[in-house]
Formats: sequence, structure tokens, C-alpha cells
Amino acid sequence: EFVLTQSPGTLSLSPGERATLSCRASQTVHSRHLSWYQQKPGQAPRLLIYGASSRATGIPDRFSGSGSGTDFTLTISRLELEDFAVYFCVQYGGSPDSPLYTFGGGTKVEI
Amino acid sequence: VQLEESGPGLLKPSGTLSLTCVFSGESISNDNWWNWIRQSPGTGLEWIGEIHNSGAIKYNPSLRTRARLSVDKSNYKSTLTLSSVTAADTAIYYCAKAKGGCSANSCSLDPWGQGTLVTVSS
Repeated sequence: EFVLTQSPGTLSLSPGERATLSCRASQTVHSRHLSWYQQKPGQAPRLLIYGASSRATGIPDRFSGSGSGTDFTLTISRLELEDFAVYFCVQYGGSPDSPLYTFGGGTKVEI
Repeated sequence: VQLEESGPGLLKPSGTLSLTCVFSGESISNDNWWNWIRQSPGTGLEWIGEIHNSGAIKYNPSLRTRARLSVDKSNYKSTLTLSSVTAADTAIYYCAKAKGGCSANSCSLDPWGQGTLVTVSS
């Protein structure tokens, strides 16, 4: 079974601080199929990063993604009030006996 | 492209859930996959399946026996049917788009609909 483990579960920071979120895969992931999403209360997830490091359209450059193999990171360089939300990593691909998309459990970034 | 889900809201255990995702802003003939994902407090986000406008379908193995996807190209909508529902199927159900042929480039889900809450309870 393919698993994405996100850490920490909750990150308590202040506006202006740097946030570093981790996503660890149980097996090697093709970087081009690792994406990050932001979800605010009552809203659907929104694509932030695709291909591990490419920002989606309209995403500010304070968001950046990195990593390869089994370890990936989402960094928010300077938190703004609108960035306090839950972040998920998602992987595409896998064996015929596994889901096509696998989701991490999420990291909540709170004030 | 914009997506909007709709469904019954509440249904009884052992019943059949039917959800619709209507999409707009893009030609139905474009090379896209229409995905269904659900989210519950207990299990988090779970991928259900995806359907191409050609009719090709992929399911989550854990839901393959109960889930059915279809696409109505005339009305620009996708339908998810889930049979024999239980309380464990209570969740917010989302539809989301993935570009066709993305496996050679980068696959991601974008955009998502706003989701529709489904509660299974007697």
C-alpha cells in the first residue's frame, strides 16, 4: 500500500514567519506527479504546486516546492494571513491494485 | 473551467447514492479526465475514480465493486453512482479535472468543484 505521510500535523506560526511542510512517501515517487494543495475551511482544495516544484497559475512566489524520491517539501517563505490553512500533498500513479491518486493526511498551518 | 457538484444531501443506509458534476468553460471534446474524490474527517481525502470523455474509466480498487462513473457529453456532466452505502460513505464529494495524457508530463487535479455533502443516516 502506497502511503504519503505529512509532518508536522499542525504548525503554529506567526505572520511573516517561514513555514516548512514535509511529505514523505512510502515508495519512490516520480517528482513530476507530486503536487501540493491548499484547503481553507468550507472550501475545496486548490492546486498550489505541481511537478514537485512548479507553481500553478496565480500562485504567489512565496510558495515553493522541492524534493525528489521519497521526500518532498512545501515552503512558504513569509506567511501571510491568507496562508493559514491545511495543506495536502498528492501523488499520481501506483500499481494496478492501488488508487491512481494518493493523498497525504495534511498539515494544518495555524496562527 | 468550472465544476459544480450536486446530490441528495441525505440518504439511508443500503441505498444508492447518485451525484452529478456539471462542468463549463471548456469544450467537452477536450482531452480531460473527470475525477471524483471524497473527504471525511475520519479517512481524509480519498480518490474514487476518473472518467474520460471517451468513456474510459479507472476506479479505486477499494470502491470498484460499488462505484460507477458515467459521462453525458451532451449535457457536460459526469455522474457518480455508489451502491450499498453505509455511514462510512458520509463525506463531502468533489469532482476535479485532470488533463489527458498527463502521465507523460505532470498529473494534478485542477480545478475542483465546491463539493457536495452527503450524509448516510437512518
